[in-house]
Amino acid sequence: AQSVTQLDSQVPVFEEAPVELRCNYSSSVSVYLFWYVQYPNQGLQLLLKYLSGSTLVKGINGFEAEFNKSQTSFHLRKPSVHISDTAEYFCAVRGTGANNLFFGTGTRLTVIP
Amino acid sequence: EPEVTQTPSHQVTQMGQEVILRCVPISNHLYFYWYRQILGQKVEFLVSFYNNEISEKSEIFDDQFSVERPDGSNFTLKIRSTKLEDSAMYFCASSPGPSAETQYFGPGTRLLVL
Repeated sequence: AQSVTQLDSQVPVFEEAPVELRCNYSSSVSVYLFWYVQYPNQGLQLLLKYLSGSTLVKGINGFEAEFNKSQTSFHLRKPSVHISDTAEYFCAVRGTGANNLFFGTGTRLTVIP
Repeated sequence: EPEVTQTPSHQVTQMGQEVILRCVPISNHLYFYWYRQILGQKVEFLVSFYNNEISEKSEIFDDQFSVERPDGSNFTLKIRSTKLEDSAMYFCASSPGPSAETQYFGPGTRLLVL
């Protein structure tokens, strides 16, 4: 089975500052990695995913994440955040032969004007 | 852009009652999923469904739960006799294929069992 740890439950950051949301995973098999965002009263929207190839993955809204196999991490970054980035961010992992996603507990990003 | 829809957005029910949560997946998708999120906890996988049968289920998905695709568009989750601990946000998702394919999530149904 797989599991995901998001150590930061809340991250406040000032507008236009950089941000990093941390995600670590554990798995005994090869995995696919995902970041989802949830805006208030909306569903989970895919930000980006890592399947294979380049370890630096670029997603929507200027976000990117880097897969680090040796550290079993998939941290999400953005160089300059905007007010509209305020949301809950979920890291998720899936075994390459499985269909179900395992989610972390989420990180609430609050961008302060 | 096509999206997954879910109804109702909120449901309040008495313990022991049956509830049916409805989802309309994206039309050309073949894989369907239910997840739930108890308040303050992580999103948990319940079940995946393909070709009119369950392909995977978690230990949460016991005999009280069932899923059905009654027609070509709807995908339902039924809880036969609700318990207080079933109170959660239930998310439906769909994907065009398995494994590497992106799962597209609906907005969720918030279920409150009293």
